[in-house]
Amino acid sequence: EAQVTQNPRYLITVTGKKLTVTCSQNMNHEYMSWYRQDPGLGLRQIYYSMNVEVTDKGDVPEGYKVSRKEKRNFPLILESPSPNQTSLYFCASSLGTGVDEQYFGPGTRLTVT
Amino acid sequence: SQQGEEDPQALSIQEGENATMNCSYKTSINNLQWYRQNSGRGLVHLILIRSNEREKHSGRLRVTLDTSKKSSSLLITASRAADTASYFCVPRSNDYKLSFGAGTTVTVRA
Repeated sequence: EAQVTQNPRYLITVTGKKLTVTCSQNMNHEYMSWYRQDPGLGLRQIYYSMNVEVTDKGDVPEGYKVSRKEKRNFPLILESPSPNQTSLYFCASSLGTGVDEQYFGPGTRLTVT
Repeated sequence: SQQGEEDPQALSIQEGENATMNCSYKTSINNLQWYRQNSGRGLVHLILIRSNEREKHSGRLRVTLDTSKKSSSLLITASRAADTASYFCVPRSNDYKLSFGAGTTVTVRA
């Protein structure tokens, strides 16, 4: 089944403890991206990747890192999480340049205390 | 990237009725996409309409696009409880960044 998977789905952590949220797609998509969704602020793009080893900042990249070493995986790294990074995170992928429709993962609910 | 602006912000309808929501954007586009998000879940792509298309149908969904007015509309016919969700329009130009607006929240009453 074609899908985007994220792990973990739920995570509660403490300030400063490094964490990684994984994202994987099985559709051979070139484009992948990360979003965070906060009440009243909608969905905001954090980082995106046009292909392996090619990444760029979205609208809210501060405090996050990403890497794209393989086409199928696009992990989101929080080196030193803070409470303002408490949010619902979504990974998405699309076939080509990003003009194509996006396929979203189920979301990761992160709480930083 | 540009953001679509959905209107109205919220819509409440009776099951079986039609729901219409609108989207406006600012600059020329390659295509415009509509997504649905059920509460707290991942977004699901509903329909993509290209800039040279005026109308597109998919099941109970009908999307129109007026590039001269920089606007689009999404019509859901014969609504069901499962249509309760937030709906987002995403105007796409030839760039890699995506922006989402606040969406239209649709509530379908039994």
